[in-house]
Amino acid sequence: EDQVTQSPEALRLQEGESSSLNCSYTVSGLRGLFWYRQDPGKGPEFLFTLYSAGEEKEKERLKATLTKKESFLHITAPKPEDSATYLCAVQAEWGSQGNLIFGKGTKLSVKP
Amino acid sequence: DSGVTQTPKHLITATGQRVTLRCSPRSGDLSVYWYQQSLDQGLQFLIQYYNGEERAKGNILERFSAQQFPDLHSELNLSSLELGDSALYFCASSGGGRSNEQYFGPGTRLTVT
Repeated sequence: EDQVTQSPEALRLQEGESSSLNCSYTVSGLRGLFWYRQDPGKGPEFLFTLYSAGEEKEKERLKATLTKKESFLHITAPKPEDSATYLCAVQAEWGSQGNLIFGKGTKLSVKP
Repeated sequence: DSGVTQTPKHLITATGQRVTLRCSPRSGDLSVYWYQQSLDQGLQFLIQYYNGEERAKGNILERFSAQQFPDLHSELNLSSLELGDSALYFCASSGGGRSNEQYFGPGTRLTVT
């Protein structure tokens, strides 16, 4: 069964304290791995798509990487405005028509 | 702003009632996806439409149904509502192809009392 597990469930950082979020996945052929940011009561906001092991994408203080079993979202020198829940999702190559399978997310809090 | 719109933003109704949620995809996107987000389950895929036709089904209850119209907007119908149906309902759209990012709307918060 296709599955996504994110860790930790919650992460508290001081402003400027860099860290990483983990997304482990089991999927029958990976079509794509997606990172989203979600603020409370809002829709998920698209951040990155990764397609193959070794691929990296960057946007401001965020950098996403991908291996055959997991993805990391690295946050460098975070600011309070980076506080949100970060969701990881996979799209399987087979057995689906494009729907995303989501992890439960990591809730990030950045204190000034 | 993702370009995906959803109405209404909030909906409060009683058990046993029926409601309709509406979604307009980004301009040019042919695929529409519906997801349910509850506190304990996270985001769960319900159903996908592509250019008016049902393409995939997830864990959608028989009491729920959806359709996509010729102008590509979509509606999710929820009937015989139960307390456990209270959740955020999101619509997402994509253009298809390899670059298959899904862009989410702001959601409809459904409260069943």
